[in-house]
Amino acid sequence: GNSVTQMEGPVTLSEEAFLTINCTYTATGYPSLFWYVQYPGEGLQLLLKATKADDKGSNKGFEATYRKETTSFHLEKGSVQVSDSAVYFCALRLSGGYNKLIFGAGTRLAVHP
Amino acid sequence: NAGVTQTPKFQVLKTGQSMTLQCAQDMNHNSMYWYRQDPGMGLRLIYYSASEGTTDKGEVPNGYNVSRLNKREFSLRLESAAPSQTSVYFCASSELAVSNYGYTFGSGTRLTVV
Repeated sequence: GNSVTQMEGPVTLSEEAFLTINCTYTATGYPSLFWYVQYPGEGLQLLLKATKADDKGSNKGFEATYRKETTSFHLEKGSVQVSDSAVYFCALRLSGGYNKLIFGAGTRLAVHP
Repeated sequence: NAGVTQTPKFQVLKTGQSMTLQCAQDMNHNSMYWYRQDPGMGLRLIYYSASEGTTDKGEVPNGYNVSRLNKREFSLRLESAAPSQTSVYFCASSELAVSNYGYTFGSGTRLTVV
C-alpha cells in the first residue's frame, strides 16, 4: 500500500551542525511530497513541498529534493539552530483523487547550544 | 488570528461516555479533515469533508462520526469512548479538495479515556 517511512528519532545535534532527516515513500503514480513541522504544544505547519520529480522545495534554510529513482524526499539544513527543535513529518499526497495526506511517523529533532 | 480553532484543548472521559470535538476555520477553505496522532504512528486520517455537505471515511473511522455543519465547522463525535481512542486529535483544512495546497492545522485536542 501507500506509505511513508522516516528515520527514527530522536536526532540530537549541536547548534550549527548539518541536518539530514531521511524520508522514503511507497506510492502508486506520481505523488506530491511534503514536510511538516510541529513545535511543542502546537499543530503541524507546512515547511516545504515538491510536486514532481527533481523539484526542490525550500523554506527557512531547509531543503528537500524529490528523487523518484530512489523514492526519497530527505530533509536537509546546513546549520541548525536551537529554535529548529521540533518534530518533523514527511507526507505524501497521491496523484489524482482528493487532497488526502499520508504521514510518516515523525522524527523528533533536539538541537543543543 | 485567522486559522483553525479546536475545542476543547484537553479532555478526560470515562469509558462509554460520549463527546464532540469542535473545529472551525475562518479561511473560507472548502475541505476539512480529522486526524489522530499516536506515538510512533504519525497522523492517521479519521474522516474528511471534501466540500460542504459531503463527508467520507479515512483510514481509521471506526468508533467516530462527523458532521460538516456548514462551510466553517466540522465536528468529530465519539459515541462511546474506549481507551484505544486516547490520542491527540487534529483538525485541518485546505483550500481545495483536489490540489497540492498544504493543510492548515489546529493546535489539537488531547483526549484521555480512562
